[in-house]
Amino acid sequence: QVQLVESGGGVVQPGRSLRLSCAASGFTFNNFGIHWVRQAPGKGLEWVAVISSDGSNKIYADSVKGRFTISRDNSKNTLYLQMSSLRAEDTAVYYCAKGFYSRSSFLFGMDVWGQGTTITVSS
Amino acid sequence: DIQLTQSPSFLSASVGDSVTITCRTSQGIGGSLAWYQQKPGKAPKLLIFGASTLQSGVPSRFSGRGSGTEFTLTISSLQPEDFAAYYCQQLNSYPLTFGGGTKVEIK
Repeated sequence: QVQLVESGGGVVQPGRSLRLSCAASGFTFNNFGIHWVRQAPGKGLEWVAVISSDGSNKIYADSVKGRFTISRDNSKNTLYLQMSSLRAEDTAVYYCAKGFYSRSSFLFGMDVWGQGTTITVSS
Repeated sequence: DIQLTQSPSFLSASVGDSVTITCRTSQGIGGSLAWYQQKPGKAPKLLIFGASTLQSGVPSRFSGRGSGTEFTLTISSLQPEDFAAYYCQQLNSYPLTFGGGTKVEIK
């Protein structure tokens, strides 16, 4: 079935780095843009970043720009989020989510989500 | 950035009630709005896209309306499984943004 599975979460000290992975299955991975969305404990959803289907275009939220890097390996059906200079406010559950597009490539939303992986930034 | 304001942030209702959640955007976005449902400890689930189109498999008691800057999500007859948090999201421009959420609880 169509599935996204995140991994790589854990506890990390402020200022350190961490890389998240998101393994896709059940759909043609290289046809879709993929997003990262996070949710701080007890808070709402925050969009983090998106990467286009071929990896050529990447857009970031201002809160992570310059610190996080989104990438993908279409040969491995895997999405990544390299996070550096981590801060306490980056503590959250991180979800990868598949873009849901119209026939004319208009983004309608995110129709497949992973189960999330938790990052805790603490000394 | 486009700001989304959801109201109410909390809603208490009974099974069978009809409830409406409002999402207002800081600038016009046409119909580029999606609604999600999120249950505790779970990932969000896409309910509605294009402001009013029901995602496949979503019960018809859910409906969305609106365009421009004001949107609504209505659940016509609340079922026990509908008690959850609901979020709107604008897809008109980056950065994509979400509303603050509405928690629907059992009265």
